[in-house]
Amino acid sequence: AQSVTQLDSQVPVFEEAPVELRCNYSSSVSVYLFWYVQYPNQGLQLLLKYLSGSTLVKGINGFEAEFNKSQTSFHLRKPSVHISDTAEYFCAVSEIRGGNEKLTFGTGTRLTIIP
Amino acid sequence: NAGVTQTPKFQVLKTGQSMTLQCAQDMNHNSMYWYRQDPGMGLRLIYYSASEGTTDKGEVPNGYNVSRLNKREFSLRLESAAPSQTSVYFCASSEGRGLGYGYTFGSGTRLTVV
Repeated sequence: AQSVTQLDSQVPVFEEAPVELRCNYSSSVSVYLFWYVQYPNQGLQLLLKYLSGSTLVKGINGFEAEFNKSQTSFHLRKPSVHISDTAEYFCAVSEIRGGNEKLTFGTGTRLTIIP
Repeated sequence: NAGVTQTPKFQVLKTGQSMTLQCAQDMNHNSMYWYRQDPGMGLRLIYYSASEGTTDKGEVPNGYNVSRLNKREFSLRLESAAPSQTSVYFCASSEGRGLGYGYTFGSGTRLTVV
């Protein structure tokens, strides 16, 4: 069975500083990987995803993530954060089994930007 | 361009009452899902429907029932609400063909059981 671990439940970062949110997964088959963002009192929005090909994927709002198969990681990065990036970020994995596509989510990382 | 619509947005129930959370999508997606979100636990899958006419249990199905009414609608029913079901509930939909499109989420229903 697939699983996702987000080790950092909260990450405080000063405005304009870089940030990395960590995500590790486990699965016995090939996977798709996703990062979602949840702004306060809203639903989840897709930030970026890795399906295949280049291991560095770029998403919305200047975020990017790198897929590392050997370390089973998919860390999210941004070189310079803004106050508007304050949100909860969820990493998710979907095993590629054809037909069915169920996402398993991590427990989330709350990113707080300090002015 | 509505996407996934959930109703109601907020609800307060007394222990033992029943209610149905409604979800509808207008993207012609095959698969639909119900998750609950609790602090520190992320999103946990309650039930899902891979295609019209089918439903399956997820990680935390106890105390819930679902109905895939048609391709657009997927409802979640609490027959006898308990305080442990206080949570934020999200409905989502996807193409469901394993193509990696991911999910589209509704804006959630915040449920409090007192």
